[in-house]
Amino acid sequence: EVQLVESGGGLVQPGGSLRLSCAASGFTFSSYEMNWVRQAPGKGLEWVSYISSSGSTIYYADSVKGRFTISRDNAKNSLYLQMNSLRAEDTAVYYCAREVRLRSYFDYWGQGTLVTVSS
Amino acid sequence: AIQLTQSPSSLSASVGDRVTITCRASQGISSALAWYQQKPGKAPKLLIYDASSLESGVPSRFSGSGSGTDFTLTISSLQPEDFATYYCQQFNSYPPTFGGGTKVEIK
Repeated sequence: EVQLVESGGGLVQPGGSLRLSCAASGFTFSSYEMNWVRQAPGKGLEWVSYISSSGSTIYYADSVKGRFTISRDNAKNSLYLQMNSLRAEDTAVYYCAREVRLRSYFDYWGQGTLVTVSS
Repeated sequence: AIQLTQSPSSLSASVGDRVTITCRASQGISSALAWYQQKPGKAPKLLIYDASSLESGVPSRFSGSGSGTDFTLTISSLQPEDFATYYCQQFNSYPPTFGGGTKVEIK
């Protein structure tokens, strides 16, 4: 059974940093592209970042470019999102999502982790 | 970025009703469209991909159609477990983008 479990969310002050993790199991993690998608409270879904199966190709939404860094450790079956210079508008539930191979849509999602940026 | 406009933003329907949700893209996306269902406090669930292909395990009362800029998600006979918010997503070009969502509520 495919499982994606996020962790690392919490309350952080504006300008602060946080690192999210996503632990994957039930599939060959190193063979799949992975993404982060977020959802602000009461709002819709927003794609945040993509990383290829090897980690060699990375994309970011303009809203987080230069502040967030996606990475992965295939030996640990883990995906990460380092978030720096956090702003109030980054407050959201962050989901890791498995991408259907090279298709840019998402067949499995984690349960999400809430990031709240507030003083 | 390609914008997706869903309509309506919400609707009220009864069990057994036929429900149709539309998604319009700001430019042509061929058939590169997916539909997701999201229940409160839960992650989105993939229902449809490539505009009309049913994801494995999804009930056949869900169907999708369209290509180019206009797409529809149809629930042929609404069931109690179908009350949720539905999102379309395009994957024709980067960045992937989502529609604003359609909330299906109980009448």
